[in-house]
Amino acid sequence: QKEVEQNSGPLSVPEGAIASLNCTYSDRGSQSFFWYRQYSGKSPELIMFIYSNGDKEDGRFTAQLNKASQYVSLLIRDSQPSDSATYLCAFGSNSGYALNFGKGTSLLVTP
Amino acid sequence: DVKVTQSSRYLVKRTGEKVFLECVQDMDHENMFWYRQDPGLGLRLIYFSYDVKMKEKGDIPEGYSVSREKKERFSLILESASTNQTSMYLCASSLTRIGNEQFFGPGTRLTVL
Repeated sequence: QKEVEQNSGPLSVPEGAIASLNCTYSDRGSQSFFWYRQYSGKSPELIMFIYSNGDKEDGRFTAQLNKASQYVSLLIRDSQPSDSATYLCAFGSNSGYALNFGKGTSLLVTP
Repeated sequence: DVKVTQSSRYLVKRTGEKVFLECVQDMDHENMFWYRQDPGLGLRLIYFSYDVKMKEKGDIPEGYSVSREKKERFSLILESASTNQTSMYLCASSLTRIGNEQFFGPGTRLTVL
C-alpha cells in the first residue's frame, strides 16, 4: 500500500504569515512529487512539482523535498485569504502511471 | 494550456439508471484517469487508461466501467447507478511519462436518488 499522509487540519494562519504544509509518503520508489490546490467545490489545480532533493521556489511558494526522510513540504509566504483552500500532495513512481494522493490539508488564512 | 472538459457539471439520476460521464482532453495526452472524491476519503482512483482501448482498474472499480475509443475521450459508465455512487467525479489526463503531473477537469457532481 502506497500511503501518503497529510494532517487534515484545518491549519489556520494570519494574513501575511508563512503557512507550512507537510506530507509524508511510504513508497521509497517515489520519483516525482506534486502539490495541488483545491478550492471548495472546484477541481484540484497543480501549483508545484519537485523531483530532486532540496528546495524549489516559485513566487510565494516553496516546495521542499527530503527523500531520505520521505517527506515533502510546501511553504506559502505572505499568506493571503485567497490561499484558503485544501492542499493535496501527490507522488508518482516508476511502478505505475497513476499518482498517489494524500487526503489534503485544509488551510485557512485569516485577515 | 491543457484543457480537460467534462460533459456535465451537475447531474441527477435515479437508482438503477445507466449513467455516462464523458471527459475530453485537447493536449494529446496518452493517460487519462477517473477519480471520485468524497469528504474524508480524498481522491480515489476508479479506472485509468494509458492508451486507446487500454484500461486498468484502480482502487475502487466495482460498479463502474470505462471506454476509450479515441485518444482524447475517456468515458466512465455506471452500469446501474446506486445511491452510494453519489459523489464528485473528476477526470484527469497526463503525458505518458510515468509519474507525470495530472491535469484535472472541472468535475461532475453526480447525485443518485
